[in-house]
Amino acid sequence: AQSVTQPDIHITVSEGASLELRCNYSYGATPYLFWYVQSPGQGLQLLLKYFSGDTLVQGIKGFEAEFKRSQSSFNLRKPSVHWSDAAEYFCAVDAGGTSYGKLTFGQGTILTVHP
Amino acid sequence: DGGITQSPKYLFRKEGQNVTLSCEQNLNHDAMYWYRQDPGQGLRLIYYSQIVNDFQKGDIAEGYSVSREKKESFPLTVTSAQKNPTAFYLCASTIPPDTQYFGPGTRLTVL
Repeated sequence: AQSVTQPDIHITVSEGASLELRCNYSYGATPYLFWYVQSPGQGLQLLLKYFSGDTLVQGIKGFEAEFKRSQSSFNLRKPSVHWSDAAEYFCAVDAGGTSYGKLTFGQGTILTVHP
Repeated sequence: DGGITQSPKYLFRKEGQNVTLSCEQNLNHDAMYWYRQDPGQGLRLIYYSQIVNDFQKGDIAEGYSVSREKKESFPLTVTSAQKNPTAFYLCASTIPPDTQYFGPGTRLTVL
């Protein structure tokens, strides 16, 4: 079955430190890839997406992600974390084909930022 | 401003009661989706609709029903057959395969 895995349930970093959130997927072809962020009790906001082309994509709030086909990964990075980045982060995949428009989400990674 | 609205923000349901969650969008999107969110489980797809008067079951449709009579509206009914309905419900819309835009959510609690 198609799946999306975020191996880290909870990550804690210090403000100003770098961040990498992992995302792996299991699909036959290259899917459409998304990262969303959610503050407590709120809806989801898109950080960035990858459809094709340059495998390093830039998003909002200083985030970037790199698609690695050989590793079936789409990891999210930020060089210097701010306290306001504390939230839950979701990786999502649209497999295309008959699943066109349907997203499968990872379990989410909760980010805590220490001052 | 364009966007997605969900109402109510909080909803309480008694045992055996059906409740309906509202989702409205003015983005002129064709496709709309309902997700359920539980702690540690990410978002799971309940139902989706790609055009008016048509919808499909998602991964966890049992105990839920929807309608799509208008492009702008995609209400979700949580029926008494849903045994564990306490969760956070999110509605989204898009023109596939582009970004799904999410509403602010409805938190449903069973009393």
